[in-house]
Amino acid sequence: TQLLEQSPQFLSIQEGENLTVYCNSSSVFSSLQWYRQEPGEGPVLLVTVVTGGEVKKLKRLTFQFGDARKDSSLHITAAQPGDTGLYLCAGASESSGSARQLTFGSGTQLTVLP
Amino acid sequence: ETGVTQTPRHLVMGMTNKKSLKCEQHLGHNAMYWYKQSAKKPLELMFVYNFKEQTENNSVPSRFSPECPNSSHLFLHLHTLQPEDSALYLCASSQRRGWNQPQHFGDGTRLSIL
Repeated sequence: TQLLEQSPQFLSIQEGENLTVYCNSSSVFSSLQWYRQEPGEGPVLLVTVVTGGEVKKLKRLTFQFGDARKDSSLHITAAQPGDTGLYLCAGASESSGSARQLTFGSGTQLTVLP
Repeated sequence: ETGVTQTPRHLVMGMTNKKSLKCEQHLGHNAMYWYKQSAKKPLELMFVYNFKEQTENNSVPSRFSPECPNSSHLFLHLHTLQPEDSALYLCASSQRRGWNQPQHFGDGTRLSIL
């Protein structure tokens, strides 16, 4: 079973602080997706990373895919209350072959206090 | 507005009731999915439909019965549910079926079993 472990599970910070959340696995992934889920809503796709070592930026959010394609990180600069939400990573392991399906991590619940 | 609409948003039912969840997507996508989201657990993929045909059933108990009359509509029929079935049920769609396809989620139905 492919397992995506996200850390930390919970994170509460003050507005203006920087933070990094992680998504790790022992499996190699062809790509990883990051979603944000706000209270009462479904997850919304933020970015897809495909190439090992790839870095993508979305305003104050920086996503990195590990060189070995087993891990990814999300760094937020100068966090704002609007960044509050559950951050989910999702991917499919290459080792699953034709049985590949998208697997989600448990998420990091981020709270940014004003 | 994500283009994926789920109704009802909240549902409370007894264990002997029969109810249905509805999902409609306005994105012209060909694949639709049902997920279960429980507290502190990763999203669990339940069913996948591609061009109205069910392609995956992730060992879901028979008390959950999906129906996909066309590529835009997806139902989840519920019968004789258990308390552990209380969760947020999310519908998603993607342009094509595939583990690397970005998924567009609805806002979910919050289901409570009494």
